[in-house]
Amino acid sequence: EVQLVESGGGLVQPGRSLRLSCAASGFTFDDYAMHWVRQAPGKGLEWVSGISWNSGSIGYADSVKGRFTISRDNAKNSLYLQMNSLRAEDTALYYCAKGTFADYWGQGTLVTVSS
Amino acid sequence: QSALTQPRSVSGSPGQSVTISCTGTSSDVGGYNYVSWYQQHPGKAPKLMIYDVSKRPSGVPDRFSGSKSGNTASLTISGLQAEDEADYYCCSYAGSYPLVFGGGTKLTVL
Repeated sequence: EVQLVESGGGLVQPGRSLRLSCAASGFTFDDYAMHWVRQAPGKGLEWVSGISWNSGSIGYADSVKGRFTISRDNAKNSLYLQMNSLRAEDTALYYCAKGTFADYWGQGTLVTVSS
Repeated sequence: QSALTQPRSVSGSPGQSVTISCTGTSSDVGGYNYVSWYQQHPGKAPKLMIYDVSKRPSGVPDRFSGSKSGNTASLTISGLQAEDEADYYCCSYAGSYPLVFGGGTKLTVL
């Protein structure tokens, strides 16, 4: 059974940093691209970042480019999102999702940016 | 990349069929057969219902079907059931990055 478990969310002040993690199991992690997708309270889905199986190809939404960094550790079956210079508009539930077309999603970790 | 355009809401009675549209451009929806649809119930994670425009993952009822014409993709749900009431999102994944989502459609089963 595919499982994706996000962690690392919380309440953080504007301008500070946070690192999200996604622990994957139930599939061959290094066979798949992975994504981070977020959903602000009461809003729709917004793609944040994606990374290929070998980290050779990485993409970011314009809204986070230069502030967020995606990475993965295939030996640990884990995906990460380093978030710097956080803003109030980054407040959202952050999901990790498996594969090119996001066929499985975790339950999300909530990031709240507020003073 | 701009978000794909979906109707804010649709509704139908049990047993009826409804169609949700998803309009993009020739650079995303119209240019590739890479459109997916997700169902999201309140407080739950999105669930993949359709990928590659019209393919259904294992376990998704065949009441759900996808199609595409030009720059518009569509999700049709036939034989509506109460449990189909949810938010639905389309997504274009042409070229791997970025994933471009639609704004979401709230389906109400009357």
